[in-house]
Amino acid sequence: EAGVVQSPRYKIIEKKQPVAFWCNPISGHNTLYWYLQNLGQGPELLIRYENEEAVDDSQLPKDRFSAERLKGVDSTLKIQPAELGDSAVYLCASKGAGKYNEQFFGPGTRLTVL
Amino acid sequence: QKEVEQDPGPLSVPEGAIVSLNCTYSNSAFQYFMWYRQYSRKGPELLMYTYSSGNKEDGRFTAQVDKSSKYISLFIRDSQPSDSATYLCAMTSFGNEKLTFGTGTRLTIIP
Repeated sequence: EAGVVQSPRYKIIEKKQPVAFWCNPISGHNTLYWYLQNLGQGPELLIRYENEEAVDDSQLPKDRFSAERLKGVDSTLKIQPAELGDSAVYLCASKGAGKYNEQFFGPGTRLTVL
Repeated sequence: QKEVEQDPGPLSVPEGAIVSLNCTYSNSAFQYFMWYRQYSRKGPELLMYTYSSGNKEDGRFTAQVDKSSKYISLFIRDSQPSDSATYLCAMTSFGNEKLTFGTGTRLTIIP
């Protein structure tokens, strides 16, 4: 079974440019998460989707960040415009139905803003 | 003060040693506790999951939870070089989908 797929794996952009990250969750997983992981820190939740509905986006900086999951499968996270402080790893995770809160993480996209 | 505190290390031990990794937390609502392992340039992967005080063993790994002290531990026996990674504790409350992670402890097992 394929795991969570993310692309690109690495992205280098100049500040004020837009950037987008793509995530394909594990097949059948209805819950999808986007996390931000700064160097030397644990992941911090940005947004959670249940199917196509964003049910928790309280930590998403909505002035520059946006996300979508139009058909309840793949998801895209966008930053426009990017700032120097956005340099980090952006992780996508998914979870299937069940009583255990086991989230499966993708490898992440490492963003560098110059 | 952060809800979850974890010593960032780095921690280096010789192969075969017993490793102890720890987290403390302040939110008494946390009921579910997890340990994730994260290799360099990879996403975290779940190692252990527990929801009650006491010990849970899985092979060389033992997770320990003390809710009265708000303290959790992960023990690794007979440590191997392949155990070299960052270990993240994570926890959440009942009915809550949001995980709160520690900062992670970077572990190196020296052959």
